[in-house]
Formats: sequence, C-alpha cells, structure tokens
Amino acid sequence: TQLLEQSPQFLSIQEGENLTVYCNSSSVFSSLQWYRQEPGEGPVLLVTVVTGGEVKKLKRLTFQFGDARKDSSLHITAAQPGDTGLYLCAEGGGGADGLTFGKGTHLIIQP
Amino acid sequence: EAQVTQNPRYLITVTGKKLTVTCSQNMNHEYMSWYRQDPGLGLRQIYYSMNVEVTDKGDVPEGYKVSRKEKRNFPLILESPSPNQTSLYFCASRSPTGNYGYTFGSGTRLTVV
Repeated sequence: TQLLEQSPQFLSIQEGENLTVYCNSSSVFSSLQWYRQEPGEGPVLLVTVVTGGEVKKLKRLTFQFGDARKDSSLHITAAQPGDTGLYLCAEGGGGADGLTFGKGTHLIIQP
Repeated sequence: EAQVTQNPRYLITVTGKKLTVTCSQNMNHEYMSWYRQDPGLGLRQIYYSMNVEVTDKGDVPEGYKVSRKEKRNFPLILESPSPNQTSLYFCASRSPTGNYGYTFGSGTRLTVV
C-alpha cells in the first residue's frame, strides 16, 4: 500500500493570507485527488490530477502535480474562514479498489 | 439530487451485538467502498466492490463483512462488534469513467461499549 505524507499536519492562519499544503509519496502516483472534509460530513472531491506537471485552478485554489508524479501541492490565495476544514490527498481511483488517503492537513482560517 | 445515503448517522451498541450499517447510492455507480476514519490514522479502506456480487478486502477488513446483492446498496455488517471498531464510517461510490472522484456519504459514527 502506497504511503502518502501530508504536511503540515495543522495550520492556523489569518483571513487574507496565502498558504500551501503538500502531499508526497516515495512511489509514483497513478493519479491524485484532493478532497476537503468539514466536521460531521464526508470528504468532497476538489480536483483530480493525472499528468505530471499539471496545474489546475479552482477559484482561489491552485493544485500542482509534480513532474515526476510523486508529489502534489495545494495553494490557497487570500484564505477565507469558509476554507476551514481537513484537506486530504488520495491516490488511486483508476480502478475499483478505492483510494489510499494521506492523514490530512487541518486548516483553520481565523477572521 | 445525486447522493450516497448512510444509515444510521449515529449508533451506540454493546460488544457482540450484530449490526448493519446501510449504504445506498442513486447514481447507478458500479464501484463502491467502505472506509473508517480514526484520529491519527486517517481514512482506511475496509472493503470495496466492483459491481453486483463482486467484493474484495481493503486494508482493514478484519471483523467486517459486506454484501452487494443490488447495484445501489452496499451494507457493512459487523457480526460481533468490539470496542476497537468504534469509529467514523464512510461509504463512497463512483463510476468507472470520468474524473475518478468518489462521492461520499455523510458518515456513521459508531460507538461500541
């Protein structure tokens, strides 16, 4: 089973600041997904990246997939309190055998 | 609305009393999975299913059973629950095509005393 390491584990910043969180593996990702989970709810898919070097944007969120497909980052510009949550990266999904998740980054955006 | 529905949302039970957590999806998805989420351990897969009558073990299957008799339903069965199965459980589904993303249910918080 591939191990995914996410950093930082916890991050608390002020509204309006920028931040980056990371997801790394010693093995090559077949594909990588980012999810956001709010307390009391299931994870919600933000993006899937497949191609090395790929960059995807979702409003103030920018996702990068490393050229070697062994790392990924999520950058949030001008963070807002509504961005608060647990951000999870997950590998797999190409087949029926589900996903392997990192342990996540707990993000708190303070007003 | 496209969704995965789990029941119950909360359950407190006693050691050894068989229970079933139901999962149903209305998106005609072939693939379905069960996960448990624990502090410090993250989300770990229990079982997954490729289609009706096709299931397989994930990373932490001990103490659990599943069945897939209909495409829309994927119940999780605990024949003899133990306190170490106290956890937050999620069911998820996806189509074999598309963006690989799973749709998750809202979770079932299980406490075994």
